[in-house]
Amino acid sequence: NAGVTQTPKFQVLKTGQSMTLQCAQDMNHNSMYWYRQDPGMGLRLIYYSASEGTTDKGEVPNGYNVSRLNKREFSLRLESAAPSQTSVYFCASSETGGGGADTQYFGPGTRLTVL
Amino acid sequence: AQSVTQLDSQVPVFEEAPVELRCNYSSSVSVYLFWYVQYPNQGLQLLLKYLSGSTLVKGINGFEAEFNKSQTSFHLRKPSVHISDTAEYFCAVSDPGRRALTFGSGTRLQVQP
Repeated sequence: NAGVTQTPKFQVLKTGQSMTLQCAQDMNHNSMYWYRQDPGMGLRLIYYSASEGTTDKGEVPNGYNVSRLNKREFSLRLESAAPSQTSVYFCASSETGGGGADTQYFGPGTRLTVL
Repeated sequence: AQSVTQLDSQVPVFEEAPVELRCNYSSSVSVYLFWYVQYPNQGLQLLLKYLSGSTLVKGINGFEAEFNKSQTSFHLRKPSVHISDTAEYFCAVSDPGRRALTFGSGTRLQVQP
């Protein structure tokens, strides 16, 4: 039982390049989330998916797209990377599709630098 | 809208001393409150959460937190810390109508020998 896995662990991009961050969970959870973590700002929600086939914007969605490929996988795409997207990205999952009381389980993170 | 304020960005403490990490929140509805811990170079993991009922919540690794509705606070405490407790601690809030968490900016606990 690996929990939540993320690839890659580290990535360096040039401004304007694109990339996809991958996330998978093996806990049969319904909901999945993408957060970014910046110094002194805690974690901010980019997008979430309450169930397979649905996605919703979070607090900071601009410059990102997501795909809930199936129940296990939730990817985050940067179409044209900008230095402001330099951050640590965390994927998380939770058991149910809503209600706010769920425990979220986090992956180890992807450290992205955009030059 | 919900918000979370963690009043201390860093808390240095000596090993075996007690510690309190402060968290205040604002919300117009009933809340769920969480403390998560992030060890160096790792993801976050749940320490404890308050959903309803007893205002004193016990979590893993000897931590506990008390929900105070009148003061809109959810402070985290441990009576005696260990070097291994060195980490960043995040307070977070949600409610029955939301699926996602709102996090505070984090408190870095530095336990010194």
